Amino acid sequence: DTEVTQTPKHLVMGMTNKKSLKCEQHMGHRAMYWYKQKAKKPPELMFVYSYEKLSINESVPSRFSPECPNSSLLNLHLHALQPEDSALYLCASSQAAGFTYEQYFGPGTRLTVT
Amino acid sequence: DAKTTQPNSMESNEEEPVHLPCNHSTISGTDYIHWYRQLPSQGPEYVIHGLTSNVNNRMASLAIAEDRKSSTLILHRATLRDAAVYYCTINSGGSNYKLTFGKGTLLTVNP
Repeated sequence: DTEVTQTPKHLVMGMTNKKSLKCEQHMGHRAMYWYKQKAKKPPELMFVYSYEKLSINESVPSRFSPECPNSSLLNLHLHALQPEDSALYLCASSQAAGFTYEQYFGPGTRLTVT
Repeated sequence: DAKTTQPNSMESNEEEPVHLPCNHSTISGTDYIHWYRQLPSQGPEYVIHGLTSNVNNRMASLAIAEDRKSSTLILHRATLRDAAVYYCTINSGGSNYKLTFGKGTLLTVNP
């Protein structure tokens, strides 16, 4: 099973809401990633977790809060977002966080902030 | 971070080979070249990766220049299902390992 699942598929939230995005993989991968992709742009890395520890934070605003409860699960908690945060949020995983490993991406969560 | 440069778009005919170029002149010695593609309304999909030598897999071939400043993704026989945005990316080594996506090439395959 080479699948990364993400829920929900679509999310609409107001600027005062709190919501969470969920990502799951059952490939035994020990690295997981969050990316943000604006329309017609390439994905941009937000966070990297390696062995359930946050290893890279690409200077992401604190209104985005990642969490890795176990090696299969990755969450992204959202609070007080701005309309410019509307984007496709992609989760990915790889065997380990190294430059030789390919990443497997989920289908993404389409987020709209109103 | 090493950056990549790709043509914005390319067009091909079905069942013909496609050569997708990528320049990465600032690549460092330990950086891997990864290619991903993204079909409409889907997440990116891994295609192939390499360091110095040419690489083949069931999806494509990757030809890497001797000086590593450029590479070419080769689809041997394009199909309509290969129509996608193809991203040439650099996967940085060392302690700051991360995937840096280029702007991508939109490949159109004509029947």
